Parts: sequence; C-alpha cells; structure tokens
Amino acid sequence: SQELEQSPQSLIVQEGKNLTINCTSSKTLYGLYWYKQKYGEGLIFLMMLQKGGEEKSHEKITAKLDEKKQQSSLHITASQPSHAGIYLCGAPHYGGATNKLIFGTGTLLAVQP
Amino acid sequence: GAGVSQSPSNKVTEKGKDVELRCDPISGHTALYWYRQSLGQGLEFLIYFQGNSAPDKSGLPSDRFSAERTGGSVSTLTIQRTQQEDSAVYLCASSSFPRGRTGELFFGEGSRLTVL
Repeated sequence: SQELEQSPQSLIVQEGKNLTINCTSSKTLYGLYWYKQKYGEGLIFLMMLQKGGEEKSHEKITAKLDEKKQQSSLHITASQPSHAGIYLCGAPHYGGATNKLIFGTGTLLAVQP
Repeated sequence: GAGVSQSPSNKVTEKGKDVELRCDPISGHTALYWYRQSLGQGLEFLIYFQGNSAPDKSGLPSDRFSAERTGGSVSTLTIQRTQQEDSAVYLCASSSFPRGRTGELFFGEGSRLTVL
C-alpha cells in the first residue's frame, strides 16, 4: 500500500527564519494536498498540487510537486508564530478500489518569537 | 453551522464499553471519511463513504470497529468493547468530489476518545 513519509518529524525555528518540510510517497503521486492543524482543532486545507512541476503559493507558504521524485515540499518564508502547528500532506491512494485520501506522518512546527 | 460537525467532542469511557461517534457532514457532500489520529501521529485512514457505493472499509483496524452512513448524510462510527489503544482523536471529513476524484476535504474538529 502507498505510504507518505514526512520530514522532519518536528521542527523548531526562530521567528523570521525560512523552513522546508518534505513529503515523500512510496508510490506515484496523482496529486498532493497540504493541510495544517492547530492543536485541538481539525485540519485546514492549504493548497492542492495536481501536476508535476506545479508550484503554488499562499501568503508566505509555497508548495511544489516533483512527480519524478514522488515528493512534495512546503516552504515557509519569514516564519511567524501563527505558522506553528502540525503540517500534513495527503494524497489519493494509489491503486485499490476507491480514491481514498491518505495522509503523511505529520510535521510539528514550533516558531519561537 | 455550515461546517462538518462531530459529537461528542470528548468522550471518556471504561475499557470494554461500546462508544458511538457521530459526524454530520456538510450538506450535499457525497464523500465522507473517518480518520484516527493518535497523539503526535499523522492521520490513519479508517473508512470512506462515497454516495451510494459500498464503503471502503480497508482501514478499519479490527472487527470491533464499524461505521454507517444513513441517508447519504450523517455517519456513526461505532467501537465495540473499547481498548486502551483505541484512545485517539477521531476525525471526520466530507467532500463534494464525485467518485473517481479526490479533492479538498473539510474536516470536523474531531472527537477525542479516552479509554481508561
């Protein structure tokens, strides 16, 4: 079955620093989704990437999809305390009878003021 | 409200008891998912409903877990004879995408289950 592995598992950065989170799939990616989760809350959709080489930005967050590497990266520029939370990548499951959405292992981000 | 609603938000139960968790998806959304999130972990897929199709139950960890979706709307996740390892946050999500496509999911705030 397909698995999504995220790195790093956790990250502490100083406010204003840039950071990158990676999501690597064990199988071909047919789209990739990034979500953010605040403690004790549900997940919030950030962005969706559908094509190899696609890059999207939302405020200070940029995500790229590298189909050949079966990988996506999420880059935050000039991090702020509001960026803190758990970042999760999700992808349509490769194979099987349905297009269920599976998620990665998560990356916990803390931003120190 | 317009979002996905889950109840209860918190549930503490004794080992061996049965629990029911409810999910009210966004009106009109044909797809409904249940996920489980243990402390510090990613999301573990449990079950997926899409319209009138047979649900994808491939993620249910044991036969103690079952889920129903009545009238294509509200869903109930039932855990029988709860065990301590069932303690987790159970998240429900819905989507308007039809079968064969996967899109943005809208998540509820989850039901936190603690089994003593």
